[in-house]
Amino acid sequence: SQTIHQWPATLVQPVGSPLSLECTVEGTSNPNLYWYRQAAGRGLQLLFYSVGIGQISSEVPQNLSASRPQDRQFILSSKKLLLSDSGFYLCAWWTGYNSPLHFGNGTRLTVT
Amino acid sequence: AQTVTQSQPEMSVQEAETVTLSCTYDTSENNYYLFWYKQPPSRQMILVIRQEAYKQQNATENRFSVNFQKAAKSFSLKISDSQLGDTAMYFCAFMKETGNTGKLIFGQGTTLQVKP
Repeated sequence: SQTIHQWPATLVQPVGSPLSLECTVEGTSNPNLYWYRQAAGRGLQLLFYSVGIGQISSEVPQNLSASRPQDRQFILSSKKLLLSDSGFYLCAWWTGYNSPLHFGNGTRLTVT
Repeated sequence: AQTVTQSQPEMSVQEAETVTLSCTYDTSENNYYLFWYKQPPSRQMILVIRQEAYKQQNATENRFSVNFQKAAKSFSLKISDSQLGDTAMYFCAFMKETGNTGKLIFGQGTTLQVKP
């Protein structure tokens, strides 16, 4: 069966520090991968998605970047965190038509 | 661009009663998919139910059912026999079929509290 792992679960980082969140999927190949952010009490905003290794699409201009070094690995990064980067980050995967997105357990990021 | 609107930020219901959450969307697409996701306090996103736009029959999953009105672009979720475990934030989401990249567009969510 397919599973998605996302870590860390919680992260507290000072302003100006770098960020690396990682997501890996097991049990499937060539999935589409997504990074969403959820501000407190709000809906989910799509940040990046990837349809294959090295292929990244950005949905909103921001302080973050994404990379996909391997088929089932998706990384969210920042060189210097801002206070506004605080939020709940969710990774998700999708394998094709008529299927829903499946989400990881998320990372709660607090920038202090 | 597609948009999804949930006009009820918060709702409450007594245990064992029925509640309906509203969702409207805007799109020029003819073929698409609609979803309801549940986010309990653990914050994990759990798929509740989905509907294909080409299907006239409303989707049903146990106590959860939808009222899909394509012409009105409305997609409401009905929860019957509400249980305490249904307490969560509920998100309506849209996915287009054409050039499908799997991108989900979410509404702002409705926080549902089930009271004992």
